[in-house]
Amino acid sequence: AQSVTQPDIHITVSEGASLELRCNYSYGATPYLFWYVQSPGQGLQLLLKYFSGDTLVQGIKGFEAEFKRSQSSFNLRKPSVHWSDAAEYFCAVGAGNAGNMLTFGGGTRLMVKP
Amino acid sequence: NAGVTQTPKFQVLKTGQSMTLQCAQDMNHNSMYWYRQDPGMGLRLIYYSASEGTTDKGEVPNGYNVSRLNKREFSLRLESAAPSQTSVYFCASKGAYNQPQHFGDGTRLSIL
Repeated sequence: AQSVTQPDIHITVSEGASLELRCNYSYGATPYLFWYVQSPGQGLQLLLKYFSGDTLVQGIKGFEAEFKRSQSSFNLRKPSVHWSDAAEYFCAVGAGNAGNMLTFGGGTRLMVKP
Repeated sequence: NAGVTQTPKFQVLKTGQSMTLQCAQDMNHNSMYWYRQDPGMGLRLIYYSASEGTTDKGEVPNGYNVSRLNKREFSLRLESAAPSQTSVYFCASKGAYNQPQHFGDGTRLSIL
């Protein structure tokens, strides 16, 4: 069975600083990988997805993620964080038909200092 | 375009009461899902429906039942609510290959 680990439960960065959120997955086949963001009291919004091809994936709001098969990782990055990026971030791995079944990590809560 | 709509948004129940959470999507998606979200545990799949007329158990199905009423609607029922079912419940839908899941805004359920 697949699994996802997000090692950092909380991260605090200063506004304007760079950000990297870690995600490690376990899955026996080629993974479909996703990053979602959840603002307080809201549902999950897709930031980006990796299905195949280029291992560096661009998403919305200036985020990108890099798939590294050798490290079983799919870390999320942003060069310069804005206060509005404060939220909870979830990494997920999809199994089955084109990622039909998602397994989520426990989430990383991002706080942004002014 | 409303996407995935969940009702109600908030609910408080007493132990032993029953409740049905409603979910509807207007994107003509085949697959629909119910998750629960608990602190530190991410989202865990309760049940899913790969297509109209089919349902299957996910990771944490005990205490729940589902109905795929038609292509648009997928409901989650708690027959006898327990305090351990206090959670935030999310419905999601997914279209064909290479499309991601789309989520509703959630139902916050407290069981006293």
